[in-house]
Amino acid sequence: GEDVEQSLFLSVREGDSSVINCTYTDSSSTYLYWYKQEPGAGLQLLTYIFSNMDMKQDQRLTVLLNKKDKHLSLRIADTQTGDSAIYFCAEKGDSGYSTLTFGKGTMLLVSP
Amino acid sequence: DVKVTQSSRYLVKRTGEKVFLECVQDMDHENMFWYRQDPGLGLRLIYFSYDVKMKEKGDIPEGYSVSREKKERFSLILESASTNQTSMYLCASRLRGQGNTEAFFGQGTRLTVV
Repeated sequence: GEDVEQSLFLSVREGDSSVINCTYTDSSSTYLYWYKQEPGAGLQLLTYIFSNMDMKQDQRLTVLLNKKDKHLSLRIADTQTGDSAIYFCAEKGDSGYSTLTFGKGTMLLVSP
Repeated sequence: DVKVTQSSRYLVKRTGEKVFLECVQDMDHENMFWYRQDPGLGLRLIYFSYDVKMKEKGDIPEGYSVSREKKERFSLILESASTNQTSMYLCASRLRGQGNTEAFFGQGTRLTVV
């Protein structure tokens, strides 16, 4: 079945850039997502990328997709303490009946 | 403002009890999902539903059932709760259209089975 892998933990200093990596196995993945979960909360969609793109930028967030290697990354520029959270990578096919497959989540800890 | 509401934030139940977790969405979404979230395991899909009275098993359906009698409501049922079902449960919904349709999540229900 589909599998999505992420490293479990990342620690950075405030003001640095953070890069969270993800690999997936399903070659039919059409959409790839990054979700953020703050403590005690549900998941919030941060950004997504369509599989025929290789980069997407949205303010401090940059998503890079290497479709050949099935590798996705999320770069957060000028990381702030408010960015401390768990970040989930997820993938989905194109069908309206497709389900999201999530990675295990990367806990980002930003220290002052 | 779009909303997925889970009826309880925290629940404590005894082993063997029948437990109902309720989820309501106000966006007229066809698709609804139940996940459980455990540290180090991420989100795992329990059941999902494409429409009223329809249900499909996810990756870990054992010990759970679901009910979708109305479009806006999707219930997760633990027929006989066990301690290994202690977890965070997340409900989500999205439109069934082809292409990129955003999934919206509830705040989660943290269930403890003692």
